[in-house]
Amino acid sequence: AQSVTQLDSQVPVFEEAPVELRCNYSSSVSVYLFWYVQYPNQGLQLLLKYLSGSTLVKGINGFEAEFNKSQTSFHLRKPSVHISDTAEYFCAVSGNNDMRFGAGTRLTVKP
Amino acid sequence: SQTIHQWPATLVQPVGSPLSLECTVEGTSNPNLYWYRQAAGRGLQLLFYSVGIGQISSEVPQNLSASRPQDRQFILSSKKLLLSDSGFYLCAWRKGPNSPLHFGNGTRLTVT
Repeated sequence: AQSVTQLDSQVPVFEEAPVELRCNYSSSVSVYLFWYVQYPNQGLQLLLKYLSGSTLVKGINGFEAEFNKSQTSFHLRKPSVHISDTAEYFCAVSGNNDMRFGAGTRLTVKP
Repeated sequence: SQTIHQWPATLVQPVGSPLSLECTVEGTSNPNLYWYRQAAGRGLQLLFYSVGIGQISSEVPQNLSASRPQDRQFILSSKKLLLSDSGFYLCAWRKGPNSPLHFGNGTRLTVT
C-alpha cells in the first residue's frame, strides 16, 4: 500500500516570504499525487495534482509542486505567501483505488 | 453537476449505542466511494472504500463497518460505539485512481 509522510507538522512564515511544504511518498505501483488545502472551518479543496507528464505542476492561488521520482517527493511551493494562505495542507497519494493522506502541515503566515 | 450529501452534520451518541452515517452522490454513476476520519495532527485516516455495489475494502479493523447497498449510497455503521470513535468523519467520491476526491461536508461525532 502507498503511504505519505509530510515532514513538517507546522510551518510559520512571514507574509511575502517563500514557502516549501515537504511531502514524501512510498509506493510499489505508479502513483498519482495531490495536494489539498483546508482553510479554517472549511472542507478540503484541491490545490493541484500530478498525473503524468511535466514534473512541475501549477495549481490554484499561485502554488506549484514538483514531482521527483528518484527522491519520491512532491514538495509544494509558493514564492510569496499571503495572510490568506494560512491553512492546513495535505499531501495525498493515489494507487489503484485507495487514496492516502499525510498528517498535514499547518501553514501560519504572520504579518 | 455532481454533488455529494452527507448527514447528519453533528451527532452526539452515548457509548455502546449504534451508529449510522449516510452519504449519497448525485450526478454520476459508478463512483468510487470513501470514508475517512480526520483527527487533529493525524491527517485523514482512510477507513473504507468501495469501487462497486457490495464491494467494500476495509483499512481499519475496528468496530466500524461500511456498506454500499446502492450505486451512489455509502453507509458507515457501528453496532456499539466506543469513546475512541469520536471524530470528524468525511465521505468522498471520485471516478477513478487518477481523479481527485470530492468531499462531503463531514459529520462531527461525539461519543459520550
